[in-house]
Amino acid sequence: QVQLVQSGAEVKKPGASVKVSCKASGYTFTSYGISWVRQAPGQGLEWMGWIRAYNGNTNYAQKLQGRVTMTTDTSTSTVYMELRSLRSDDTAVYYCARVGGFGERFDNWGQGTLVTVSS
Amino acid sequence: EVVLTQSPGTLSLSPGERATLSCRASQTVGSSYLAWYQQKPGQAPRLLIFGASSRATGIPDRFSGSGSGTDFTLTISRLEPEDFAVYYCQQFGSSPMYTFGQGTKLEIK
Repeated sequence: QVQLVQSGAEVKKPGASVKVSCKASGYTFTSYGISWVRQAPGQGLEWMGWIRAYNGNTNYAQKLQGRVTMTTDTSTSTVYMELRSLRSDDTAVYYCARVGGFGERFDNWGQGTLVTVSS
Repeated sequence: EVVLTQSPGTLSLSPGERATLSCRASQTVGSSYLAWYQQKPGQAPRLLIFGASSRATGIPDRFSGSGSGTDFTLTISRLEPEDFAVYYCQQFGSSPMYTFGQGTKLEIK
């Protein structure tokens, strides 16, 4: 079955960077894209960006351009999301999600990774 | 940018009742590109409906989606205790690629 397993919780200071991993299994990794979605405490879902697994092409949300980088390692079926210059309002649960169908839906999700930004 | 507005913000109903959740888009959304998700506390979202009306794998038939253009609806025909959760609509477009509604909380009355 499809599984997306994310790395563990992180605590970072303002200005630091964080890198979250998402390891995929149960499907052909290079046949799908992966999106990252975050959720601040008590808030809704915010799309961060998308990466095509087979060639690393990306599309980032405008508000995060310049601070976020998504990469892929096809040898380990793992996608990474790095967020730099962290601020307190980056505190959130970060989810990876497989992009299914024709790219219009998120059909499988990771368990989420809590990133806390605090001095 | 397409903005999705969900209503109501909170819906209070009893098990066995019918729930109707609305998602309105600021611009026309292709029906193929509208999805619904369910999220329970402490869990990741789960895909319920894609293409406005197609149920995802394993989703009970009490969940149904409808709509086109700018108005979309998620209906739960007879609420089960496990259906009380937050529901989000999501659209796929050009820029940004994806946007979510702000969510509707379905709570037990």
